Amino acid sequence: GAVVSQHPSWVICKSGTSVKIECRSLDFQATTMFWYRQFPKQSLMLMATSNEGSKATYEQGVEKDKFLINHASLTLSTLTVTSAHPEDSSFYICSARTASGGVEQFFGPGTRLTVL
Amino acid sequence: AQSVTQLGSHVSVSEGALVLLRCNYSSSVPPYLFWYVQYPNQGLQLLLKYTTGATLVKGINGFEAEFKKSETSFHLTKPSAHMSDAAEYFCAVTLYSSASKIIFGSGTRLSIRP
Repeated sequence: GAVVSQHPSWVICKSGTSVKIECRSLDFQATTMFWYRQFPKQSLMLMATSNEGSKATYEQGVEKDKFLINHASLTLSTLTVTSAHPEDSSFYICSARTASGGVEQFFGPGTRLTVL
Repeated sequence: AQSVTQLGSHVSVSEGALVLLRCNYSSSVPPYLFWYVQYPNQGLQLLLKYTTGATLVKGINGFEAEFKKSETSFHLTKPSAHMSDAAEYFCAVTLYSSASKIIFGSGTRLSIRP
């Protein structure tokens, strides 16, 4: 149980285009989802916390107009990188917390974004 | 505010040797502590967690960790390393709250020598 998927697993795009990454909880309802960014050989950096039906809460320094987050249902959150640039190339990981509460987060497999 | 420090960005041990990955935390209230493992180009997998109760926690793949409040530590150990243990390991801390974030350490890369 508690499986989280991400799609796509990797994506290559041209500079200036937008890319959407999906995060789904497959076998549970997730009231809260989290989006992280991970640069090579570094730890995970929390970008934003997404609650179903409400606006995401962004961490300091994360541009909310560039990284659009939508959490329209209890099983789906999306991250859209708008007008992507090479510096946005990174590994993006989502996680989900169950609706039943608790502190544990279940992580997706990650999405590798490369912007040319 | 909570924080996590992992001592040693890279640890190398021989196959069959003891694995010890160090983690110290800072928290003003009793924390919840986690160890995650990450294989290349993959997400994070939970190895074990400490919430309350027994301070020695056993996890998957033969790993265990001991919560030592007096030392503010949560070191990860495994008696005998396998080649398949080579990965990145992250220690993390959070507080019991629906709004609490998980704070990750900087990670330790574990290499296993044949």
